[in-house]
Amino acid sequence: AQSVTQPDIHITVSEGASLELRCNYSYGATPYLFWYVQSPGQGLQLLLKYFSGDTLVQGIKGFEAEFKRSQSSFNLRKPSVHWSDAAEYFCALLIGNMLTFGGGTRLMVKP
Amino acid sequence: DAGVTQSPTHLIKTRGQQVTLRCSPKSGHDTVSWYQQALGQGPQFIFQYYEEEERQRGNFPDRFSGHQFPNYSSELNVNALLLGDSALYLCASRIRDSLYNEQFFGPGTRLTVL
Repeated sequence: AQSVTQPDIHITVSEGASLELRCNYSYGATPYLFWYVQSPGQGLQLLLKYFSGDTLVQGIKGFEAEFKRSQSSFNLRKPSVHWSDAAEYFCALLIGNMLTFGGGTRLMVKP
Repeated sequence: DAGVTQSPTHLIKTRGQQVTLRCSPKSGHDTVSWYQQALGQGPQFIFQYYEEEERQRGNFPDRFSGHQFPNYSSELNVNALLLGDSALYLCASRIRDSLYNEQFFGPGTRLTVL
């Protein structure tokens, strides 16, 4: 069955430190993958997407993600975290017209 | 250019009641999807509407129904509310002609069932 797993429910990093959020997927065909961010009281905002081609994808707000087919992973990274990055992050897989989301990772940023 | 708008922002209902949530897509968008996000979980796909027809449906019972109007706005109806229907309901819109087009999400309607 198709699924998305985000192993880390909560992550805390210090401001200025690097960040990596993990995402694993299960899907038999070529995956279309996304990372979204959700701040309190707001909807989901798209950070980046992977459809094909270059496995390192650049997104907004300084985020990037690397697609690794052999590991069925699509991890999100940022070299230096800002306090404003504190939010919930969701990885998602597009199947037909439907986005299948992981359970999310809540990022907290220490000053 | 207004983004995706949803109304109401918050709603409180009791078990057994019916509720209607509304969504206006982003300008130029003609495809609307609805998602349910329970507390502490990722969103789950309910269904998608295009050309006033339900095009794809997730694993939700028939108590969940929808409608799309000629101006592309959409409604989500939930009958016989259960406590477990308490969630944030998100609407997303995109241009239909390509799956590569970004889906834009609204801020959601927070439904509480008592």
